[in-house]
Amino acid sequence: EDQVTQSPEALRLQEGESSSLNCSYTVSGLRGLFWYRQDPGKGPEFLFTLYSAGEEKEKERLKATLTKKESFLHITAPKPEDSATYLCAVQAARAAGNKLTFGGGTRVLVKP
Amino acid sequence: DADVTQTPRNRITKTGKRIMLECSQTKGHDRMYWYRQDPGLGLRLIYYSFDVKDINKGEISDGYSVSRQAQAKFSLSLESAIPNQTALYFCATGGGASDEQFFGPGTRLTVL
Repeated sequence: EDQVTQSPEALRLQEGESSSLNCSYTVSGLRGLFWYRQDPGKGPEFLFTLYSAGEEKEKERLKATLTKKESFLHITAPKPEDSATYLCAVQAARAAGNKLTFGGGTRVLVKP
Repeated sequence: DADVTQTPRNRITKTGKRIMLECSQTKGHDRMYWYRQDPGLGLRLIYYSFDVKDINKGEISDGYSVSRQAQAKFSLSLESAIPNQTALYFCATGGGASDEQFFGPGTRLTVL
């Protein structure tokens, strides 16, 4: 059974204080690992897809990296508008319907 | 205009009532999904559909049914709502060669 564990559950940062979120996964053949951002009362918003170990992707202050067992979402010099819940999901190579398995998320609060 | 819309956005109902949640998309995607989100449990797949004639159960389909009325419309029904179906419900779409899924704004359902 595919499993995704995210840590920490919650993270409080001062503006400008860089940090990393962890996503550990077990999957029977990884097709892709996905990062989403979710604001309160809204649906998840797609950020990145990573397909192979060593791959990195960046968007503004966010950078996602992937190894064979985990992914990190690095937030560099965060701003208050980066406050959100960040969700990680995996898709197995043989996932019926391109099914995604999600972790529980990390709630990030960036204080000015 | 939003690519994926859900109605209603909020609903309070009583135990035993029949409820229908609706999803429409303008992305032209063939795949559509229903998820529920509970605090600390992440998003879990209820049903998914490849097209009008293809409906598949997800990991938590008991107590739910779906209808794909058209490529752009996918509805979720709770035949007899119970309190533990209180949750956030999200519709998502996916299509073509892309593996990403795109989410609607969600429906907050409360069953009393």
